[in-house]
Amino acid sequence: SAVISQKPSRDICQRGTSLTIQCQVDSQVTMMFWYRQQPGQSLTLIATANQGSEATYESGFVIDKFPISRPNLTFSTLTVSNMSPEDSSIYLCSVANRRETQYFGPGTRLLVL
Amino acid sequence: AQSVTQLDSQVPVFEEAPVELRCNYSSSVSVYLFWYVQYPNQGLQLLLKYLSGSTLVKGINGFEAEFNKSQTSFHLRKPSVHISDTAEYFCAVSEMGGGNKLTFGTGTQLKVEL
Repeated sequence: SAVISQKPSRDICQRGTSLTIQCQVDSQVTMMFWYRQQPGQSLTLIATANQGSEATYESGFVIDKFPISRPNLTFSTLTVSNMSPEDSSIYLCSVANRRETQYFGPGTRLLVL
Repeated sequence: AQSVTQLDSQVPVFEEAPVELRCNYSSSVSVYLFWYVQYPNQGLQLLLKYLSGSTLVKGINGFEAEFNKSQTSFHLRKPSVHISDTAEYFCAVSEMGGGNKLTFGTGTQLKVEL
């Protein structure tokens, strides 16, 4: 399976600011995804990061709040914009090629004060 | 749309005892099924998956799961747990042809005690 890294691993931010999270994979992958895991909760898909085009967002998530880039087949970024304490979560990227299996990065733990 | 139900939010068990973590799903089409484990302060690690073929699948760390289509279940089992198995376990489903979108259950916290 691919080796996935995320930066930063954790951060503490002030409300009203923005944070960009990076996801790097050690090999080219077909699909990349971004998930949110709120405290004590399960994972919710934010969007599918599409290489060379706009991300596909799930219901309840919008591009203005969570802009996503994917400039190539090994890298993607998620920005959490104009943060509030409700954005405190773990943000995870995942990748998949064929056979429908997703592999997850270590996550970015975000606390918004 | 698919959904996943993990009936037990917490499962306490003594070390070396067997354990079963339950997972039921709902979908109008054929599905792929997965179990992931999340250790404290870590990301998700794939335990095992059912894509096709044998309904009994074996994964890492001695875990196995059985796909039961008639009961729409995919329960996770281990015959003898270890302290190091203490973690959160997530069942997930994706629909065939659904673009790899995973829907997760709410998770089961397995706590192994001495």
